[in-house]
Amino acid sequence: GNSVTQMEGPVTLSEEAFLTINCTYTATGYPSLFWYVQYPGEGLQLLLKATKADDKGSNKGFEATYRKETTSFHLEKGSVQVSDSAVYFCALRIIDGNKLVFGAGTILRVKS
Amino acid sequence: GAGVSQSPSNKVTEKGKDVELRCDPISGHTALYWYRQRLGQGLEFLIYFQGNSAPDKSGLPSDRFSAERTGESVSTLTIQRTQQEDSAVYLCASSLTPLYTDTQYFGPGTRLTVL
Repeated sequence: GNSVTQMEGPVTLSEEAFLTINCTYTATGYPSLFWYVQYPGEGLQLLLKATKADDKGSNKGFEATYRKETTSFHLEKGSVQVSDSAVYFCALRIIDGNKLVFGAGTILRVKS
Repeated sequence: GAGVSQSPSNKVTEKGKDVELRCDPISGHTALYWYRQRLGQGLEFLIYFQGNSAPDKSGLPSDRFSAERTGESVSTLTIQRTQQEDSAVYLCASSLTPLYTDTQYFGPGTRLTVL
């Protein structure tokens, strides 16, 4: 079946540290890949996406590259801020599927 | 423009009661989705509506769950004879098209607590 595996959290970093949150997937065909973020007390919002192999999604200093050969879509940011503290969800959608398939989410805590 | 809205934001009910949750998608969005997020877990798909096509109900966990959508507007999710395991945040999302590349925009959710 189709599934997403994310690194377990919580991930705790100091401000200005480098962030990587690993995401790997299993899917039929070549899915679209998404990162969603849920800030404390807020709803789920799209952070970035990539819809084909080798595409790089980017937003707010975050980046992720669609790697078909390793079936991965790791999220990175060069210098995190306290305001980046949130829960991050990796998700996929296959070409003939009607739903997003989500990973379990990774809690990020950034200390000042 | 306005985003996806949901009501109520919070609902506390007693076991065995029926509840109705409402979703107003972004205007012009043809596709609408319901998901459930249990505490500390990822989102699980419940149901999908696209235009006048038959909905995809493959994610509904039991026949106590049902949903309707009027045209390309409001949707309601109904849970009959609620159980404690139904306690979760119920999220609605909409997308402009049903394409797998299209972004789904989420509402703030309804937090359901079944006592």
